[in-house]
Amino acid sequence: AQKVTQAQTEISVVEKEDVTLDCVYETRDTTYYLFWYKQPPSGELVFLIRRNSFDEQNEISGRYSWNFQKSTSSFNFTITASQVVDSAVYFCALSAPTDSWGKFQFGAGTQVVVTP
Amino acid sequence: DVKVTQSSRYLVKRTGEKVFLECVQDMDHENMFWYRQDPGLGLRLIYFSYDVKMKEKGDIPEGYSVSREKKERFSLILESASTNQTSMYLCASSPGTSGSRSYNEQFFGPGTRLTVL
Repeated sequence: AQKVTQAQTEISVVEKEDVTLDCVYETRDTTYYLFWYKQPPSGELVFLIRRNSFDEQNEISGRYSWNFQKSTSSFNFTITASQVVDSAVYFCALSAPTDSWGKFQFGAGTQVVVTP
Repeated sequence: DVKVTQSSRYLVKRTGEKVFLECVQDMDHENMFWYRQDPGLGLRLIYFSYDVKMKEKGDIPEGYSVSREKKERFSLILESASTNQTSMYLCASSPGTSGSRSYNEQFFGPGTRLTVL
């Protein structure tokens, strides 16, 4: 069965600190896609990144970076020099052929609180 | 920009009422999804649809039904609302070719916070 685990329920940091969010996934499929979403207090989930299982290159986008490690089934997300606007719930998700029609398995989410 | 809209941000209903949650997307997406979000549980899929008049059960379909009469609109129906259906409901859509798998990102609406008294 597909499963996504985000073990950290809440992380609190002071502005300018770095924060890393863990995501561990389980799947028997060899082809799959991983996603990160941000849910700010307004409630609407915002897409951040999609990564397929054959691309293990790390990615950086501004202050955001992602570390995909197939060997440990992890897809971790780091926010560098955090800002108050980064306060949100972050979700990791998995989509794989065993689940049909682009269905996602979401993790439970990690609440990030950035204080000034 | 993709836009997914939901009919209400907040809704209060009484136990036993029939409740309709409406979702409309304006990007001609084939796939549409309904989730509920509860603290500590993340997002759980209720139903999804990959084409007009097509629907598939998700992980927690009990107590819900759906309707997709037009491509842009996907409705979630609570036949007889109960207090354990108090939750945040999120609609999403994604592009995909009808009849084939799609692993594209999903675009979400703002959510409807439903309270059943």
